Amino acid sequence: EAQVTQNPRYLITVTGKKLTVTCSQNMNHEYMSWYRQDPGLGLRQIYYSMNVEVTDKGDVPEGYKVSRKEKRNFPLILESPSPNQTSLYFCASSLGDSSTDTQYFGPGTRLTVL
Amino acid sequence: AQSVAQPEDQVNVAEGNPLTVKCTYSVSGNPYLFWYVQYPNRGLQFLLKYITGDNLVKGSYGFEAEFNKSQTSFHLKKPSALVSDSALYFCAVRDKSGGSYIPTFGRGTSLIVHP
Repeated sequence: EAQVTQNPRYLITVTGKKLTVTCSQNMNHEYMSWYRQDPGLGLRQIYYSMNVEVTDKGDVPEGYKVSRKEKRNFPLILESPSPNQTSLYFCASSLGDSSTDTQYFGPGTRLTVL
Repeated sequence: AQSVAQPEDQVNVAEGNPLTVKCTYSVSGNPYLFWYVQYPNRGLQFLLKYITGDNLVKGSYGFEAEFNKSQTSFHLKKPSALVSDSALYFCAVRDKSGGSYIPTFGRGTSLIVHP
């Protein structure tokens, strides 16, 4: 089944404790991205990657890191989480660098930073 | 610059009645427009998109949307709402002439269909 998977689905952590949220897709998509969803703000893009070893900042990259060592994986790293990073996070992928591409979203990771 | 507005936080409609979820956009050039739906505890799912051609776009689950260039709108519609259509709906836009691939999403509209 074609899908985007994220782990963990739920995470409660404390300020300053490094964490990684994994994202994997099995569709051989070139383009991957991370979003955060906050009430009243909709979806905001954090980082995106157009291919292996190619990443770029989205609208709200502060406090986050990403890497793209393999085509299928695009982990989101929070080196020192803070409470304002409490949010619902989505990973998405699409076939290629085209504005018409449909994005496929993962199920989401609900992160709480205490 | 590109932006999208969903002026209603919530839309309430009775089952069997037609529904409309509004979306307006702003881009420098011509737009690519998308609608996504998010069911509770799920990721976003693609519904439909407008790229070019016919202004009326048909998508999944009986939804359709009409591109109106003069009003810069892309409202989502369905002739007869179902309770199962209750979800959060997002409009998104990309500028065709823009070099960035970053899409802009609206804030979302919660659709509640009452039995």
